[in-house]
Amino acid sequence: DVKVTQSSRYLVKRTGEKVFLECVQDMDHENMFWYRQDPGLGLRLIYFSYDVKMKEKGDIPEGYSVSREKKERFSLILESASTNQTSMYLCASSRPNYGTHEQYFGPGTRLTVT
Amino acid sequence: AQSVTQLGSHVSVSEGALVLLRCNYSSSVPPYLFWYVQYPNQGLQLLLKYTTGATLVKGINGFEAEFKKSETSFHLTKPSAHMSDAAEYFCAVSDLGSGGYNKLIFGAGTRLAVHP
Repeated sequence: DVKVTQSSRYLVKRTGEKVFLECVQDMDHENMFWYRQDPGLGLRLIYFSYDVKMKEKGDIPEGYSVSREKKERFSLILESASTNQTSMYLCASSRPNYGTHEQYFGPGTRLTVT
Repeated sequence: AQSVTQLGSHVSVSEGALVLLRCNYSSSVPPYLFWYVQYPNQGLQLLLKYTTGATLVKGINGFEAEFKKSETSFHLTKPSAHMSDAAEYFCAVSDLGSGGYNKLIFGAGTRLAVHP
């Protein structure tokens, strides 16, 4: 059974803190993604990675960075958390192909920044 | 550039009634299309996908969707709603300009409520 896990389901942090969100997949997928989900906006892509140590900006990368040191692990970093980063964060992975392969999602981390 | 529009942010049906969730896309090339479902406090789960071939696609839990190129639509249907279908549903299209990285573009989502 395919699996994407995220380190925390719920997280509360203070403004200005550095926040790490971890994602691990056990499917040997090359592609990994970080999204944020907000009501009425659907999922918006923050960053993605198509190989170890490779990363590409998505649609809303400002205020975030990522790290992919191992194939199975993709970390999202909020360098200095702000209240407007309160959101649900979803990690996903997929095989590389021109659009035909679905993405597999983790359960999400609901982050609250106070 | 590809985009997705889901008509209706909230849909409410009675148990046993037809479910119809609308999705329209824009794409300059033949699209790959997906429907995902998100149950409360969970991640997204694939319901079904269209890549090539038969335009009527069957998915899990009795859902199906029909790709209509002339209407640029990929509406999701289920003949008879069940209480357990209450969830949020997302339509997505592959961003084929992404160089094979499998990026998806999601609609804003439709929350389905099923009442007795």
